[in-house]
Amino acid sequence: KAGVTQTPRYLIKTRGQQVTLSCSPISGHRSVSWYQQTPGQGLQFLFEYFSETQRNKGNFPGRFSGRQFSNSRSEMNVSTLELGDSALYLCASMTSGGLQETQYFGPGTRLLVL
Amino acid sequence: AQSVTQLGSHVSVSEGALVLLRCNYSSSVPPYLFWYVQYPNQGLQLLLKYTSAATLVKGINGFEAEFKKSETSFHLTKPSAHMSDAAEYFCAVSRGGSNYKLTFGKGTLLTVNP
Repeated sequence: KAGVTQTPRYLIKTRGQQVTLSCSPISGHRSVSWYQQTPGQGLQFLFEYFSETQRNKGNFPGRFSGRQFSNSRSEMNVSTLELGDSALYLCASMTSGGLQETQYFGPGTRLLVL
Repeated sequence: AQSVTQLGSHVSVSEGALVLLRCNYSSSVPPYLFWYVQYPNQGLQLLLKYTSAATLVKGINGFEAEFKKSETSFHLTKPSAHMSDAAEYFCAVSRGGSNYKLTFGKGTLLTVNP
């Protein structure tokens, strides 16, 4: 089975721009979570989607948004980029999010905001 | 709210020595606990997880962890370090009722000296 894939792997943007990151979950997985990883704040939960619906959201400003398509692929969008948005963005997938399940992570998209 | 604290942001051991990475959790409900490893420029890989079935959990690559409720700890150990174990290790706790929102510790960077 193919793992979680994320595109692009690296991205450079300037302040004020917007960016869209993509995540393709493992086949059969319908839950996709997004995390931001920075040296200062560590790994922080952004949001999770299941069957095209956002089930949970972390403590991030509204500039961070996401969506999920009917094939379970997910995108996250960051508008009006700030320098502090530079981070590794990880997505993870699960079958449905139950307690007996495990999250499988993708390799991440490294975003640099200049 | 659930949280985890990893004691020691950097641990250095010699090849062949015992590896001990510390994690303490705070949870108002019985927790599900995880250890993930991250190699440079990669995503997170699950090492092991505690789901209340057994207090001593064995994972991949010779790692194991013991859940101690009285000490609210879930320390990660490996009897003999290998050079390939050099990576960053994260302890995480899941939100009650689901595993799609993980709260991570700040991480411990393990270096292995020859």
